[in-house]
This record gives sequence, structure tokens and C-alpha cells, in this order.
Amino acid sequence: GQQLNQSPQSMFIQEGEDVSMNCTSSSIFNTWLWYKQDPGEGPVLLIALYKAGELTSNGRLTAQFGITRKDSFLNISASIPSDVGIYFCAGHSMNRDDKIIFGKGTRLHILP
Amino acid sequence: SAVISQKPSRDICQRGTSLTIQCQVDSQVTMMFWYRQQPGQSLTLIATANQGSEATYESGFVIDKFPISRPNLTFSTLTVSNMSPEDSSIYLCSVEDRAGAGGYTFGSGTRLTVV
Repeated sequence: GQQLNQSPQSMFIQEGEDVSMNCTSSSIFNTWLWYKQDPGEGPVLLIALYKAGELTSNGRLTAQFGITRKDSFLNISASIPSDVGIYFCAGHSMNRDDKIIFGKGTRLHILP
Repeated sequence: SAVISQKPSRDICQRGTSLTIQCQVDSQVTMMFWYRQQPGQSLTLIATANQGSEATYESGFVIDKFPISRPNLTFSTLTVSNMSPEDSSIYLCSVEDRAGAGGYTFGSGTRLTVV
């Protein structure tokens, strides 16, 4: 079945550093979504991308919908302690009848 | 964005028993979904809750184990039946957020521990 390959699996960074993570697939998606999940909470949508090549920002977050429609990246600039959490990419394929599939997540740790 | 209220937020249950999880949305939505998130893992779709008809289950999930109700466009329940420790997970409901920023909105989840 369809799979999303999300990397890196985890990251350890210093506060203030920039962060980059990405998702790739062998299948084409028509929507890419990026979520953040804090402990004990459900995922919260950060950015939604609907068009190939689209570059969208939300504060310090920037995400892009790859031109091939098979990949997406999320960047976080000038990380702060509250950025700690798990980031998931998710894709919605035309063939999936409104269902989305999730990457395995990137666990972000910020070193004191 | 749609606001989802999911109950209970957590529970500890004995093996062999069943737990019903409720998902209430503050607006009418067409699509409601139930996900499972095993410890340290990503989200796996269990089923799509269809209003007025039987839920559509994903491969590996069956109605006898995870019966779902969807009596109207704002409410759904998921029951985890005849539980075993392997069912210990977070269960999340989700709706398609057509009116908001797009994407899918999630409830805060039900953390289930089976002992």
C-alpha cells in the first residue's frame, strides 16, 4: 500500500537552531499536511498544502509541496523550547476517498 | 475549525471487557474517522464512520472488534471489544475540516491501558 517515508526519525538540536524535516512517497498526493503532537494531545494541524510547488508559511514554520507531488518538507526557524514534540506529515491521495495516511513522525528534542 | 470533544480522555480497563469512546463535534461534518496510535507510533486509520450506514473498515480491523456508531452528523462512538493488553493505545477521532484551514482536525484522544 501507500507509504510515507518521513525523516529524520528524531532530532536533537540547540535552542535557536533551524530545523528541517521531510516526507517522500512513491505515490502522488494532492494534499500534504503537517501536524504537531504534544504529549497527551491529539495532532494539531500546522500547515496544509494543496498545490504542487506551493510554499506556505505559518510564523516560524515553512512548508513546501514538492513539484513532483511526491514529497514535502517542513522547516522551523529559530527553534524555541515549545517546539518540542512529534511532527507528522500526512498525505491525501486522489485514490483514497478522503482518507489520509501519516508518516511515522519526527521527534524533535531541544537540548538545554 | 471544528471543535471535537472526545471522552473519556483516559481509562484503565480489565482484559476481556469493552470500552466505548465518544466523539462529539460542534458542527455537522460529513466525514468522521477513527484512528489508533500505538505507543511511540504513528496514526493508523481504523475506519470511516458513515452516517446512516455501516462503517468502512481498513485492512486489519473488523466490526466485531471495533464496532462503530454514527447516529448523526455530529456524533460517533468507537467500542473496543473484548480487550487485551495489545489494545493499549491512544484512540483518536478526526473530522475533515472543510470550513476551517483545511486538513483534518483531531480530538485530544483516549489513552487506553488494558491490564
